[in-house]
This record gives sequence, structure tokens and C-alpha cells, in this order.
Amino acid sequence: GAVVSQHPSRVICKSGTSVKIECRSLDFQATTMFWYRQFPKQSLMLMATSNEGSKATYEQGVEKDKFLINHASLTLSTLTVTSAHPEDSSFYICSARERRGVNEQFFGPGTRLTVL
Amino acid sequence: TQLLEQSPQFLSIQEGENLTVYCNSSSVFSSLQWYRQEPGEGPVLLVTVVTGGEVKKLKRLTFQFGDARKDSSLHITAAQPGDTGLYLCAANTGGFKTIFGAGTRLFVKA
Repeated sequence: GAVVSQHPSRVICKSGTSVKIECRSLDFQATTMFWYRQFPKQSLMLMATSNEGSKATYEQGVEKDKFLINHASLTLSTLTVTSAHPEDSSFYICSARERRGVNEQFFGPGTRLTVL
Repeated sequence: TQLLEQSPQFLSIQEGENLTVYCNSSSVFSSLQWYRQEPGEGPVLLVTVVTGGEVKKLKRLTFQFGDARKDSSLHITAAQPGDTGLYLCAANTGGFKTIFGAGTRLFVKA
């Protein structure tokens, strides 16, 4: 299957700082990338959908100024958590979709964010 | 609101037992995926089903898509401890958005 990488895999930061997470599709071009948040023992919660070269579409309740998404190329999307606070601590996972019409999403390994 | 209902939410069984996980909805889907996720990792795609009534096998895992494309099941034969994980179904009606079930947490005891 297609490979998606995420970096960093784990980050610990102080409250008030910003953290950038990168998501790359390694062997395919991703027309669409998704960002999810997952709380312990729960399913995935979609935060936003981004298409290359256009603004991300945020889900209801997700602050776009808090979670900045950039999808500058067909292989790279970034999520920046700005002015992070302890309540932003979570497991963030990206996924990428190669083709329209086929809904297979390939997930990155996730990033564990801990805000002190 | 489209919903994917997964059942059971949690399953703890002995090694060697069989089990079935269900994913149901009142909506018709163009495709449905099953993923497995292990703690601290991202979900891994197991299978995509597209045609109503379709059955796909992946070693000891059998996936079925309902005739009306509204539901799906995952059957595991002779479960092993390595099958432990969170199983997620996901579906799409043809647009960009995917909806996920709440997941079935499976624990297989040796």
C-alpha cells in the first residue's frame, strides 16, 4: 500500500509555543489530505480536509486560527498548532487520498503532542 | 447526519475463537473500508469493498459488503493475539468526506 510519513512522531512543548507537524505521501501524489485528532480509546475525529493549492476546510468546532493547515504540494501538508495549551495534547494523525472516486485513505503513523 | 454504527464496541476473546464485527448504516455508500489500528500508531488499511454483496478474504479475515451497500461485516477465524487492536470501518457516499465508525476494540488472549 501507499506510504504516508509523519514527523515528528512525538513532541513535548511548553504552553504558549507553536508546533508544526508534517505529513508526506512518499510514493504517490495526494490530491487530498486529512487531519484527525484522536483521544485515548476513541475513534478518529476529523479536524480538516485540505486539497493541494487551496484553503483547508475545517470541521465545525475546529478553530482554523488555532490549527493552521498548509497543503503546498501534492506530497506535503503541515499542521501547525499555534499557542498550544495543555488541552491541545492529543494524538494527531494525517491521511492522504490518492484518487477521487476511490475513498482509500492511507494514514501516517501519528504524532503524540504533549503540552506542558 | 450520516452515521456508521459499529458493534460490538469491545470484544475480549480467547485465542482460537471466531468473531464478527458489524458496521451498519441507513445510508448507501459508494465504498467502505476496514482499518486496524494498534496503540500509538496510525490506522492501516485492510480492505476496500465497493460492490454490493462483495466478499473479500485476507488470510483469516473475511469482509462482506451488504447487498444494499449499507452495511458490512468483518469475520476473523481462529483469532490470534496479533489480531488485537482497534478495528475501524469507514465509508464515503461519493463526496470528499469520509465517516468513521466508533471502532471495535478487540483483545485476543493467549
